[in-house]
Amino acid sequence: KQEVTQIPAALSVPEGENLVLNCSFTDSAIYNLQWFRQDPGKGLTSLLLIQSSQREQTSGRLNASLDKSSGRSTLYIAASQPGDSATYLCAVKEDVAGGTSYGKLTFGQGTILTVHP
Amino acid sequence: EAQVTQNPRYLITVTGKKLTVTCSQNMNHEYMSWYRQDPGLGLRQIYYSMNVEVTDKGDVPEGYKVSRKEKRNFPLILESPSPNQTSLYFCASSGRPVSLYGYTFGSGTRLTVV
Repeated sequence: KQEVTQIPAALSVPEGENLVLNCSFTDSAIYNLQWFRQDPGKGLTSLLLIQSSQREQTSGRLNASLDKSSGRSTLYIAASQPGDSATYLCAVKEDVAGGTSYGKLTFGQGTILTVHP
Repeated sequence: EAQVTQNPRYLITVTGKKLTVTCSQNMNHEYMSWYRQDPGLGLRQIYYSMNVEVTDKGDVPEGYKVSRKEKRNFPLILESPSPNQTSLYFCASSGRPVSLYGYTFGSGTRLTVV
């Protein structure tokens, strides 16, 4: 069974700092990995999607990498801002191959990020 | 605007009173899914649908029903809600092929069962 772990569980940094959020998964048979942002009590906003054949994706100040063979992904946030404060969730979409978990997303528990002025 | 719309956003109900949470997407996506989010347990899949009239159980289907009569709609039905179904619910959809597309999530429905 796929398990996704995010480290650290919480992170507090001063504004302007560069930071890295970590995600690991136990089964490398994935289609893709998606990073989401969730504000308190709100929905999930997709940040980046990395296909299993890709190594990284970039969007503005965000860069996500994927090492499928080792079961790891990182989300790099450059020059953090107070508006980046949120919970960041990593999710892997499982490879169908013979299984019943067709296209299922398995989520990590998230990293709660606080960026203070 | 491409989106997944859930209604209602907030709902308080009593044990045993049947309710339906609606979900609609305007992206012509074939794949739709329901998740619940609970503190300490994260997001878990309840049901999913690969296409019209094709649905299957996720990890935590007990106490829930779904239907997919039209491509755009995927309602979640609680026939006899219980307090342990108090949670934050999300509907999501994905384009095809599932292997290539990411998910779009709705804004969530916060359900309280008393």
